[in-house]
Amino acid sequence: EAGVTQFPSHSVIEKGQTVTLRCDPISGHDNLYWYRRVMGKEIKFLLHFVKESKQDESGMPNNRFLAERTGGTYSTLKVQPAELEDSGVYFCATRLAGSGGVNEQFFGPGTRLTVL
Amino acid sequence: AQSVTQLGSHVSVSEGALVLLRCNYSSSVPPYLFWYVQYPNQGLQLLLKYTSAATLVKGINGFEAEFKKSETSFHLTKPSAHMSDAAEYFCAVSDSGANSKLTFGKGITLSVRP
Repeated sequence: EAGVTQFPSHSVIEKGQTVTLRCDPISGHDNLYWYRRVMGKEIKFLLHFVKESKQDESGMPNNRFLAERTGGTYSTLKVQPAELEDSGVYFCATRLAGSGGVNEQFFGPGTRLTVL
Repeated sequence: AQSVTQLGSHVSVSEGALVLLRCNYSSSVPPYLFWYVQYPNQGLQLLLKYTSAATLVKGINGFEAEFKKSETSFHLTKPSAHMSDAAEYFCAVSDSGANSKLTFGKGITLSVRP
């Protein structure tokens, strides 16, 4: 069974440009999370989808970040316009619905974003 | 609010020595606790989890962790380190809600000396 995949693996852009990150979940995983790790800091939650609905977006830094999950399958995270402080590794994680309440999330390899 | 503390950023042990990585948590509700590992150029992989069953949890690759409520700790141990254990280790907490997010510690890098 394929794991969580993320594209691209690396992205280098200039300040002010737009970048779109993509996450493909494990088949059948209704729950999809985005996290971010800024260098030297802990991994922090950004938002959570259940199917196509946003359940919790309390971790989104500001309105330059837009996440979508059309049809409840893959998800995209767009940063527009990118700022220097957006640099970091963006992780996607997915989870089956109703796994007995145990919150086991499966992580993708991450996208390393560098904003110059 | 929940939080996780992993003291220090780097631990170095000799091959065959005991591995002990410390994790303390703060939670106002009964927590679920997790240890994840990230090998170079890979995503995070679940090592083990505590979900209010047995307090001593065994995971993959010979790792185990003990939940101690009185100490609010969930330290990770392995009796004998192997070179392949070199990686970054993350402790995380969530509450028992079905859709809860993970709150991570800062992570700790384990190096294993020959």
